[in-house]
Amino acid sequence: EAQVTQNPRYLITVTGKKLTVTCSQNMNHEYMSWYRQDPGLGLRQIYYSMNVEVTDKGDVPEGYKVSRKEKRNFPLILESPSPNQTSLYFCASSLFGGAGDIQYFGAGTRLSVL
Amino acid sequence: RKEVEQDPGPFNVPEGATVAFNCTYSNSASQSFFWYRQDCRKEPKLLMSVYSSGNEDGRFTAQLNRASQYISLLIRDSKLSDSATYLCVVPNGGGGFKTIFGAGTRLFVKA
Repeated sequence: EAQVTQNPRYLITVTGKKLTVTCSQNMNHEYMSWYRQDPGLGLRQIYYSMNVEVTDKGDVPEGYKVSRKEKRNFPLILESPSPNQTSLYFCASSLFGGAGDIQYFGAGTRLSVL
Repeated sequence: RKEVEQDPGPFNVPEGATVAFNCTYSNSASQSFFWYRQDCRKEPKLLMSVYSSGNEDGRFTAQLNRASQYISLLIRDSKLSDSATYLCVVPNGGGGFKTIFGAGTRLFVKA
C-alpha cells in the first residue's frame, strides 16, 4: 500500500530535549516536505527536499533541521524544542514537487513541548 | 497581501444546500491548484485538482479565474459527510518549489 508514515504520532517532551520525528514514504517520490499546522493559520511549510541531499527552507524553518540521506526518509529534527513548537506536524511527499504534483500526507504527529 | 487567502468560515448550511468557497492567490505564475479536504485535524486528502479553467467531479466543481487570480469550489446537494475543512493549495505559490496552503474554510452541514 502506497503511504507516508510518520512516527511518533503523539509526543510530549520538555523544553530543550532534542527530538526527531521520522517520515518515510514507499512511493519512490523525489519531493518530500514538512508542515506544521496551528489553529487559524493553516499548514505552513517548514522545509522541503527535492531529492537526496537537496533541501530548502519553507516559510517557518527557524528551530528545525532536516536531512535527506535516503530517498524514502526525511526526518524532522528539533535540536532544542521550545513551547512555541507545540503543534500538529505533517510530512508529505509527491513525485517531483512540480506544480501539477499531488502531495500525499502522513497521519500527523501531535507534539507538545512543556 | 497573503500569498493564498480563503473565505473565512465557518459556513453553516443545511443538507441539500449549494455552497461555494473562494480562494485568491498572489503568484500570477502559478499554473495549477488543488483543493484538499481535512477532517478534524487528520491529514489533508486531495479533493480536486484544477489545471485549466476548471474541473468537475460529481457534486463538486472547481473553477479557475486566472485574470482575477482566484479559484472556487462549489459543492452541490451538500451531505452531512461534507462537513470538514477545505484547504486551497498552490504548489509553487511561494516561488520555486514552496507550497502554500490557505488557512482553510470550515464547512458544517446540518440535518
